Amino acid sequence: DAGVTQSPTHLIKTRGQHVTLRCSPISGHKSVSWYQQVLGQGPQFIFQYYEKEERGRGNFPDRFSARQFPNYSSELNVNALLLGDSALYLCASSLAGAASYYEQYFGPGTRLTVT
Amino acid sequence: KQEVTQIPAALSVPEGENLVLNCSFTDSAIYNLQWFRQDPGKGLTSLLLIQSSQREQTSGRLNASLDKSSGRSTLYIAASQPGDSATYLCAAKTGKLIFGQGTTLQVKP
Repeated sequence: DAGVTQSPTHLIKTRGQHVTLRCSPISGHKSVSWYQQVLGQGPQFIFQYYEKEERGRGNFPDRFSARQFPNYSSELNVNALLLGDSALYLCASSLAGAASYYEQYFGPGTRLTVT
Repeated sequence: KQEVTQIPAALSVPEGENLVLNCSFTDSAIYNLQWFRQDPGKGLTSLLLIQSSQREQTSGRLNASLDKSSGRSTLYIAASQPGDSATYLCAAKTGKLIFGQGTTLQVKP
């Protein structure tokens, strides 16, 4: 079975631009979470979606938004990019919501560079 | 607010040594605790997951323990090899995964 997939693998954007990152969960998984990992730090929680509804949001500005589609795939959108948004963006899927014992499975990530 | 701390931040050992990586968390109300490995520029590879009702998990040369009452977890690596060189992250699951900053391990041949 395919694991969590993310696209694109790498992305270079200019300050002020908009970016959309995509994630496909493991088949059967209904929950998707997004994390940002800045170089040298541990991943930070951005959003969690379960059954197409937002179930959690981390301490990120409103420039960050996300949604989950009927097939449980998800998009993370970032507007008005700043240099500080350069990071590895990780997507994780799970059978159930975050408030559960189910393991989260991570995708390979999207490396975003803002110049 | 859950906080996860990993000590040490970096560790260098000769090949063959047994070693312990430490992870502490402030809120014992966790669903589980997970250890990951991350190679430079790469994503996360899950190593071990310990549910809150469990005390330890083992996989090959790796053993992870969990003590909720003291807010601590350890990852024990036996007979370390150069291929074990990577950053090791622990994450406590509350309503989301809270990660530590990681321990960067270098195993010298």
